[in-house]
Amino acid sequence: GAVVSQHPSWVICKSGTSVKIECRSLDFQATTMFWYRQFPKQSLMLMATSNEGSKATYEQGVEKDKFLINHASLTLSTLTVTSAHPEDSSFYICSAPKHTASYGYTFGSGTRLTVV
Amino acid sequence: DAKTTQPPSMDCAEGRAANLPCNHSTISGNEYVYWYRQIHSQGPQYIIHGLKNNETNEMASLIITEDRKSSTLILPHATLRDTAVYYCIVRVWVTGGGNKLTFGTGTQLKVEL
Repeated sequence: GAVVSQHPSWVICKSGTSVKIECRSLDFQATTMFWYRQFPKQSLMLMATSNEGSKATYEQGVEKDKFLINHASLTLSTLTVTSAHPEDSSFYICSAPKHTASYGYTFGSGTRLTVV
Repeated sequence: DAKTTQPPSMDCAEGRAANLPCNHSTISGNEYVYWYRQIHSQGPQYIIHGLKNNETNEMASLIITEDRKSSTLILPHATLRDTAVYYCIVRVWVTGGGNKLTFGTGTQLKVEL
């Protein structure tokens, strides 16, 4: 149980275009979704926290106008990278807390974004 | 959330036990110890968590010292598929979740034949 489905698993886009990444909670309601970014050989860095029906909270140094987050329903959160540049190439991962103590958090499978 | 310290890398022979240490000397009384792992180019996977008692599940065992300042994750019979980065995280558990997880640098475990 507690699966977060993330799509696409990989995407290549041209500089200046926008890319949308979706995370869906399949068998539970995710009122909160965390979005992480991971550069090669580095750890996961939290970008922002989205809450259903309200504005996302961004970590320091993350441009909210560049990384648009929408959490319009209890099962879907999206991250849109706008006007993508090569330096935005990274591995993006979403995560949602479970409503029991055992797991803590469940993660999506990640999206590999390459901007050319 | 308390900071953790892990060795950057470890090697283990297949079939042997892998013992991954984690130091969390500033842990608070209400903070849990969580372990996750990340296989290359995948999302992190939950392994186990504990507060002060040792814990065991189908994946691993977690040994927490009596003073709670350190812990060890034990994979009893490591296989090649256990090769991954292992993250030790300490945080307060909140009913319904909601608190963010902060990842350190983790330990790259390489299981070899």
